[in-house]
Amino acid sequence: AQSVTQLDSQVPVFEEAPVELRCNYSSSVSVYLFWYVQYPNQGLQLLLKYLSGSTLVESINGFEAEFNKSQTSFHLRKPSVHISDTAEYFCAVSGGYQKVTFGTGTKLQVIP
Amino acid sequence: IAGITQAPTSQILAAGRRMTLRCTQDMRHNAMYWYRQDLGLGLRLIHYSNTAGTTGKGEVPDGYSVSRANTDDFPLTLASAVPSQTSVYFCASSGQGSNEQFFGPGTRLTVL
Repeated sequence: AQSVTQLDSQVPVFEEAPVELRCNYSSSVSVYLFWYVQYPNQGLQLLLKYLSGSTLVESINGFEAEFNKSQTSFHLRKPSVHISDTAEYFCAVSGGYQKVTFGTGTKLQVIP
Repeated sequence: IAGITQAPTSQILAAGRRMTLRCTQDMRHNAMYWYRQDLGLGLRLIHYSNTAGTTGKGEVPDGYSVSRANTDDFPLTLASAVPSQTSVYFCASSGQGSNEQFFGPGTRLTVL
Protein backbone atom coordinates (compact mmCIF):
# COMPACT_ATOMS: atom_id res chain seq x y z
CA ALA A 1 0.00 0.00 0.00
CA GLN A 2 1.10 3.56 -0.55
CA SER A 3 0.03 6.87 0.91
CA VAL A 4 0.84 10.56 0.80
CA THR A 5 0.65 13.08 3.62
CA GLN A 6 0.57 16.80 3.05
CA LEU A 7 0.82 18.26 6.50
CA ASP A 8 -0.35 21.78 5.69
CA SER A 9 -3.79 22.41 4.23
CA GLN A 10 -3.09 26.12 3.75
CA VAL A 11 0.12 28.12 3.55
CA PRO A 12 -0.04 31.93 3.45
CA VAL A 13 3.15 33.66 2.38
CA PHE A 14 4.06 37.19 1.37
CA GLU A 15 5.06 37.93 -2.19
CA GLU A 16 8.79 37.47 -2.86
CA ALA A 17 9.22 35.38 0.30
CA PRO A 18 10.40 31.76 0.15
CA VAL A 19 7.99 28.88 0.62
CA GLU A 20 8.15 25.17 1.37
CA LEU A 21 5.20 22.83 0.92
CA ARG A 22 5.71 19.60 2.76
CA CYS A 23 5.02 16.11 1.46
CA ASN A 24 5.76 12.75 3.04
CA TYR A 25 4.97 9.41 1.49
CA SER A 26 4.95 5.74 2.33
CA SER A 27 5.40 2.90 -0.09
CA SER A 28 6.68 -0.65 0.01
CA VAL A 29 8.33 -0.39 -3.40
CA SER A 30 10.47 2.08 -5.29
CA VAL A 31 8.49 5.19 -6.04
CA TYR A 32 7.82 7.83 -8.57
CA LEU A 33 6.90 11.19 -7.06
CA PHE A 34 4.99 14.10 -8.49
CA TRP A 35 3.81 17.59 -7.69
CA TYR A 36 0.72 18.85 -9.48
CA VAL A 37 -0.68 22.38 -9.41
CA GLN A 38 -4.35 23.33 -9.68
CA TYR A 39 -5.28 26.91 -10.47
CA PRO A 40 -8.82 28.05 -9.59
CA ASN A 41 -11.53 26.32 -11.62
CA GLN A 42 -9.03 24.28 -13.60
CA GLY A 43 -7.79 20.71 -13.70
CA LEU A 44 -4.47 19.56 -12.31
CA GLN A 45 -1.26 20.20 -14.23
CA LEU A 46 2.04 18.43 -13.68
CA LEU A 47 4.55 20.76 -12.04
CA LEU A 48 7.52 18.41 -11.66
CA LYS A 49 8.34 14.76 -11.19
CA TYR A 50 10.98 12.45 -9.79
CA LEU A 51 11.40 9.15 -11.60
CA SER A 52 15.07 8.30 -11.06
CA GLY A 53 18.51 9.87 -11.15
CA SER A 54 19.17 13.25 -9.55
CA THR A 55 17.18 13.67 -6.37
CA LEU A 56 16.68 17.38 -7.04
CA VAL A 57 14.14 18.18 -9.72
CA GLU A 58 13.09 21.57 -11.00
CA SER A 59 10.14 23.09 -12.81
CA ILE A 60 10.24 25.77 -15.49
CA ASN A 61 8.70 28.38 -13.18
CA GLY A 62 11.24 28.24 -10.36
CA PHE A 63 9.89 25.48 -8.13
CA GLU A 64 12.10 22.61 -7.04
CA ALA A 65 11.64 19.46 -5.01
CA GLU A 66 14.12 17.05 -3.49
CA PHE A 67 13.56 13.35 -3.09
CA ASN A 68 14.78 12.26 0.32
CA LYS A 69 14.55 8.52 0.62
CA SER A 70 15.68 8.30 4.24
CA GLN A 71 13.04 10.77 5.35
CA THR A 72 10.47 9.59 2.78
CA SER A 73 9.86 13.19 1.80
CA PHE A 74 9.45 15.18 -1.39
CA HIS A 75 9.04 18.77 -0.23
CA LEU A 76 8.34 21.52 -2.76
CA ARG A 77 10.25 24.79 -2.49
CA LYS A 78 10.49 28.15 -4.20
CA PRO A 79 12.93 30.87 -3.12
CA SER A 80 10.66 33.77 -4.08
CA VAL A 81 6.94 33.41 -4.77
CA HIS A 82 4.76 35.53 -7.04
CA ILE A 83 1.08 36.35 -6.90
CA SER A 84 0.60 34.04 -9.87
CA ASP A 85 1.77 31.08 -7.74
CA THR A 86 -1.47 31.22 -5.76
CA ALA A 87 -2.99 27.80 -6.33
CA GLU A 88 -3.51 24.41 -4.74
CA TYR A 89 -0.60 21.99 -4.88
CA PHE A 90 -0.93 18.22 -4.76
CA CYS A 91 1.82 15.76 -4.02
CA ALA A 92 1.40 12.30 -5.53
CA VAL A 93 3.17 8.95 -5.35
CA SER A 94 3.18 5.92 -7.59
CA GLY A 95 5.03 2.72 -6.83
CA GLY A 96 5.79 0.40 -9.69
CA TYR A 97 2.54 -0.64 -11.34
CA GLN A 98 0.37 0.82 -8.58
CA LYS A 99 -2.06 3.60 -9.29
CA VAL A 100 -1.12 7.16 -8.45
CA THR A 101 -2.14 8.21 -4.94
CA PHE A 102 -2.71 11.91 -4.33
CA GLY A 103 -2.32 13.89 -1.14
CA THR A 104 -5.10 16.08 0.18
CA GLY A 105 -3.55 19.23 -1.23
CA THR A 106 -1.99 22.43 0.11
CA LYS A 107 -3.47 25.80 -0.78
CA LEU A 108 -0.73 28.35 -1.31
CA GLN A 109 -1.96 31.90 -0.79
CA VAL A 110 0.50 34.59 -1.85
CA ILE A 111 -0.16 37.88 -0.09
CA PRO A 112 0.74 41.11 -1.91
CA ILE B 1 -4.86 21.36 -29.12
CA ALA B 2 -4.35 17.80 -27.90
CA GLY B 3 -5.70 16.96 -24.50
CA ILE B 4 -8.73 15.87 -22.55
CA THR B 5 -12.20 17.33 -22.79
CA GLN B 6 -15.02 16.83 -20.33
CA ALA B 7 -18.72 17.60 -20.62
CA PRO B 8 -20.73 19.14 -19.21
CA THR B 9 -18.74 21.84 -17.43
CA SER B 10 -21.29 21.91 -14.65
CA GLN B 11 -24.65 20.34 -13.90
CA ILE B 12 -27.36 20.55 -11.27
CA LEU B 13 -29.19 17.27 -10.94
CA ALA B 14 -32.19 16.07 -8.95
CA ALA B 15 -31.58 13.12 -6.67
CA GLY B 16 -32.57 9.84 -8.25
CA ARG B 17 -31.81 10.97 -11.80
CA ARG B 18 -29.35 9.22 -14.08
CA MET B 19 -26.36 11.19 -15.32
CA THR B 20 -23.43 10.48 -17.61
CA LEU B 21 -20.28 12.55 -17.49
CA ARG B 22 -18.35 12.48 -20.72
CA CYS B 23 -14.58 12.34 -21.17
CA THR B 24 -12.63 12.24 -24.41
CA GLN B 25 -8.89 12.29 -25.02
CA ASP B 26 -7.01 12.60 -28.29
CA MET B 27 -3.54 11.62 -27.08
CA ARG B 28 -4.04 7.89 -27.75
CA HIS B 29 -3.29 7.17 -24.11
CA ASN B 30 -3.96 3.63 -22.97
CA ALA B 31 -5.01 4.37 -19.41
CA MET B 32 -7.85 6.61 -18.25
CA TYR B 33 -9.14 7.52 -14.81
CA TRP B 34 -12.05 9.17 -13.05
CA TYR B 35 -11.51 11.06 -9.79
CA ARG B 36 -13.72 13.05 -7.54
CA GLN B 37 -12.35 16.04 -5.67
CA ASP B 38 -13.86 17.03 -2.35
CA LEU B 39 -12.71 19.70 0.09
CA GLY B 40 -10.19 18.30 2.53
CA LEU B 41 -10.12 14.89 0.87
CA GLY B 42 -8.03 15.61 -2.19
CA LEU B 43 -8.59 13.43 -5.25
CA ARG B 44 -10.08 9.98 -4.85
CA LEU B 45 -10.04 7.42 -7.64
CA ILE B 46 -13.49 6.19 -8.67
CA HIS B 47 -12.77 3.89 -11.62
CA TYR B 48 -9.95 3.36 -14.06
CA SER B 49 -9.23 1.64 -17.34
CA ASN B 50 -5.80 0.37 -18.31
CA THR B 51 -6.79 -0.20 -21.93
CA ALA B 52 -9.85 -0.20 -24.15
CA GLY B 53 -12.24 -2.98 -23.17
CA THR B 54 -11.10 -3.22 -19.54
CA THR B 55 -12.10 -1.31 -16.41
CA GLY B 56 -11.35 -1.52 -12.72
CA LYS B 57 -12.63 -0.18 -9.42
CA GLY B 58 -10.82 2.52 -7.55
CA GLU B 59 -11.10 3.74 -4.00
CA VAL B 60 -14.73 4.98 -4.12
CA PRO B 61 -16.58 3.08 -6.89
CA ASP B 62 -20.02 2.64 -5.30
CA GLY B 63 -22.82 4.36 -7.18
CA TYR B 64 -20.73 4.82 -10.32
CA SER B 65 -20.12 2.79 -13.45
CA VAL B 66 -17.81 3.23 -16.44
CA SER B 67 -17.26 1.76 -19.87
CA ARG B 68 -14.32 1.85 -22.28
CA ALA B 69 -15.57 0.91 -25.72
CA ASN B 70 -12.63 2.60 -27.46
CA THR B 71 -9.33 4.30 -26.66
CA ASP B 72 -10.62 7.86 -26.69
CA ASP B 73 -13.80 7.82 -24.60
CA PHE B 74 -14.35 6.97 -20.95
CA PRO B 75 -17.84 7.99 -19.75
CA LEU B 76 -18.80 7.91 -16.08
CA THR B 77 -22.43 7.11 -15.21
CA LEU B 78 -24.33 7.78 -12.02
CA ALA B 79 -27.30 5.43 -12.24
CA SER B 80 -29.32 7.12 -9.51
CA ALA B 81 -27.67 10.24 -8.18
CA VAL B 82 -27.54 11.01 -4.45
CA PRO B 83 -26.56 14.27 -2.72
CA SER B 84 -23.28 12.74 -1.48
CA GLN B 85 -22.19 12.56 -5.10
CA THR B 86 -22.05 16.35 -5.23
CA SER B 87 -18.43 16.96 -6.17
CA VAL B 88 -16.02 18.06 -8.86
CA TYR B 89 -15.18 15.20 -11.19
CA PHE B 90 -11.92 14.98 -13.09
CA CYS B 91 -11.02 12.66 -15.91
CA ALA B 92 -7.35 11.89 -16.52
CA SER B 93 -5.24 9.78 -18.85
CA SER B 94 -1.71 8.43 -19.02
CA GLY B 95 0.41 6.89 -21.73
CA GLN B 96 1.76 3.34 -21.74
CA GLY B 97 4.63 2.92 -19.31
CA SER B 98 4.12 6.38 -17.83
CA ASN B 99 2.73 7.28 -14.42
CA GLU B 100 2.30 10.93 -15.41
CA GLN B 101 -1.38 11.78 -15.69
CA PHE B 102 -3.00 14.47 -17.80
CA PHE B 103 -6.20 15.97 -16.47
CA GLY B 104 -9.33 17.38 -18.02
CA PRO B 105 -10.88 20.67 -16.84
CA GLY B 106 -13.43 18.97 -14.60
CA THR B 107 -17.21 18.74 -14.22
CA ARG B 108 -18.86 20.39 -11.24
CA LEU B 109 -21.89 18.29 -10.28
CA THR B 110 -24.50 19.28 -7.72
CA VAL B 111 -27.11 16.74 -6.67
CA LEU B 112 -30.11 18.19 -4.87
